[in-house]
Amino acid sequence: GAVVSQHPSRVICKSGTSVKIECRSLDFQATTMFWYRQFPKQSLMLMATSNEGSKATYEQGVEKDKFLINHASLTLSTLTVTSAHPEDSSFYICSATPARTYEQYFGPGTRLTVT
Amino acid sequence: SQKIEQNSEALNIQEGKTATLTCNYTNYSPAYLQWYRQDPGRGPVFLLLIRENEKEKRKERLKVTFDTTLKQSLFHITASQPADSATYLCAVNQGGKLIFGQGTELSVKP
Repeated sequence: GAVVSQHPSRVICKSGTSVKIECRSLDFQATTMFWYRQFPKQSLMLMATSNEGSKATYEQGVEKDKFLINHASLTLSTLTVTSAHPEDSSFYICSATPARTYEQYFGPGTRLTVT
Repeated sequence: SQKIEQNSEALNIQEGKTATLTCNYTNYSPAYLQWYRQDPGRGPVFLLLIRENEKEKRKERLKVTFDTTLKQSLFHITASQPADSATYLCAVNQGGKLIFGQGTELSVKP
């Protein structure tokens, strides 16, 4: 149980375009999902907390107009990287927490390359 | 705010030995502390959670300790196998969010 999927697993896009990444909790409902970014050889950096039915909460230094988050249902959150630039190239990972637990279950990640 | 420190140097051990990884936190004791495993190019996988009132927790070959006096958690893998080679991340909860350490890379040689 507690499986989280992400799609796509890998995406290459041109500079200036937008990319949408989906995160789904497959066998549980998640009122809260989290989006992280990870650069090579570094730890996970929390970008934002996605709350179902309300606006996401962004961490300091993360541009909310650039990284659009939508949590439309209890099993789906999306992250859209708008007007992507090469410096946005990174590994993006989502996670979700089942009700009444503290551990987070992570998706397999999405490798974004902006050319 | 809380800082999580893990040994950034890779840990190399021989198959069959016990691997011990360290996680130190700097400020207040978290209500609970978690350990995750991450393989290259993959998302982290939850391993164990230990609460501040628990001194030790076990799961198969894994053991986690939590010392609130030392502000430290130790993560042990007994009878290590090459398949245990991965990066292990320590994380603590802060206001509903997880704060991660930078991880320690473990390499188990046959």
